[in-house]
Amino acid sequence: DGGITQSPKYLFRKEGQNVTLSCEQNLNHDAMYWYRQDPGQGLRLIYYSQIVNDFQKGDIAEGYSVSREKKESFPLTVTSAQKNPTAFYLCASSIVGGSGTGWSNEQFFGPGTRLTVL
Amino acid sequence: GQQVMQIPQYQHVQEGEDFTTYCNSSTTLSNIQWYKQRPGGHPVFLIQLVKSGEVKKQKRLTFQFGEAKKNSSLHITATQTTDVGTYFCAGPNTNAGKSTFGDGTTLTVKP
Repeated sequence: DGGITQSPKYLFRKEGQNVTLSCEQNLNHDAMYWYRQDPGQGLRLIYYSQIVNDFQKGDIAEGYSVSREKKESFPLTVTSAQKNPTAFYLCASSIVGGSGTGWSNEQFFGPGTRLTVL
Repeated sequence: GQQVMQIPQYQHVQEGEDFTTYCNSSTTLSNIQWYKQRPGGHPVFLIQLVKSGEVKKQKRLTFQFGEAKKNSSLHITATQTTDVGTYFCAGPNTNAGKSTFGDGTTLTVKP
């Protein structure tokens, strides 16, 4: 059963603690992404990775860190430096490449993790 | 930088009425995708448009890509309560490897 999973669905942490969100995919996708979504808002890109052992900052990377040691896994750490970490976090994956430069591919999203920092 | 704007931000309709959301990019897009996010859920891919002036239909949903490939629209005919959710468009970012999402249009349908 192919797909992308995130765990846990709900996560509560105390202020000042680092927390790591899990994202796993068995779609054999090279690219993986982390987005943050606040209530009533769109998707903001935190980090993305197109290949193992390489990743790039998105639009709101401050206070977050990632690793990409395996193709299937792209964990996100929300550090204590993130000023307002309470949000809905979505992980996605896609194939890489397409018809020339500037091409975007269909992204498959996980169910998300709702993080609440108390 | 590149911007993808969607209007309206919210739309409330009576069941059976039509609904349209518009997506406008500041740059020409190679392709564009549409996603739907149900309340409490995650975005799910609906369709991809590639050609200038392309029109695709999925039952009551009609998707259109503008001639200049800088705008797109999603039209729903005779809305149903199952259509509620937020609809996002997304296009390739000028930085390779990532997409730019619009802020979405949230549709509510009153039975």
